[in-house]
Amino acid sequence: EADIYQTPRYLVIGTGKKITLECSQTMGHDKMYWYQQDPGMELHLIHYSYGVNSTEKGDLSSESTVSRIRTEHFPLTLESARPSHTSQYLCASSESNPSSAGFYEQYFGPGTRLTVT
Amino acid sequence: KNQVEQSPQSLIILEGKNCTLQCNYTVSPFSNLRWYKQDTGRGPVSLTIMTFSENTKSNGRYTATLDADTKQSSLHITASQLSDSASYICVVSDRGSTLGRLYFGRGTQLTVWP
Repeated sequence: EADIYQTPRYLVIGTGKKITLECSQTMGHDKMYWYQQDPGMELHLIHYSYGVNSTEKGDLSSESTVSRIRTEHFPLTLESARPSHTSQYLCASSESNPSSAGFYEQYFGPGTRLTVT
Repeated sequence: KNQVEQSPQSLIILEGKNCTLQCNYTVSPFSNLRWYKQDTGRGPVSLTIMTFSENTKSNGRYTATLDADTKQSSLHITASQLSDSASYICVVSDRGSTLGRLYFGRGTQLTVWP
């Protein structure tokens, strides 16, 4: 079982509200990721970080922002939520160095199901 | 364009039966292929990871195969259980990226009936 946590697990909020989705891991991983997943669709990378003070945008354009002030913490913020932001948000982390077989194992959190009304 | 295609989209089987899920990919350069199990409302959990040199790997009742020449993989589930009901996602990683970028399929939704 991976030690990566997300809160809240479910969030229903009105349009225009500011929200922050929390993600924490206790494995000391430098790399962290945020994915967005709609029902029946593939995961899309929206943000990632190589370590403290490092943040990059992923493949899918997102109006959300992230910060990485501490290694274990990678929160995602939406300044003004809209119904189009309704989705599942998954956080993941991986080690800095690849395994002996040459790959990076990613460990996923349980996700936050966001509904914007 | 790097893509991962899975079939079937959904599958219903009876408890105790076997099933095989398929994955085709075009990701290049190829690094490794993973199968994840995602329960409803949860994050994906890794079942197997195979590199270019591996053509089969087992994890309990799950056996994955990889044909890197045809860029195809399969996940075989033996003696299915009700707890196997989940989405099974094929994920391919490319080589040459320090990020270890992953390309996800849409998953096969498996339902096991008693």
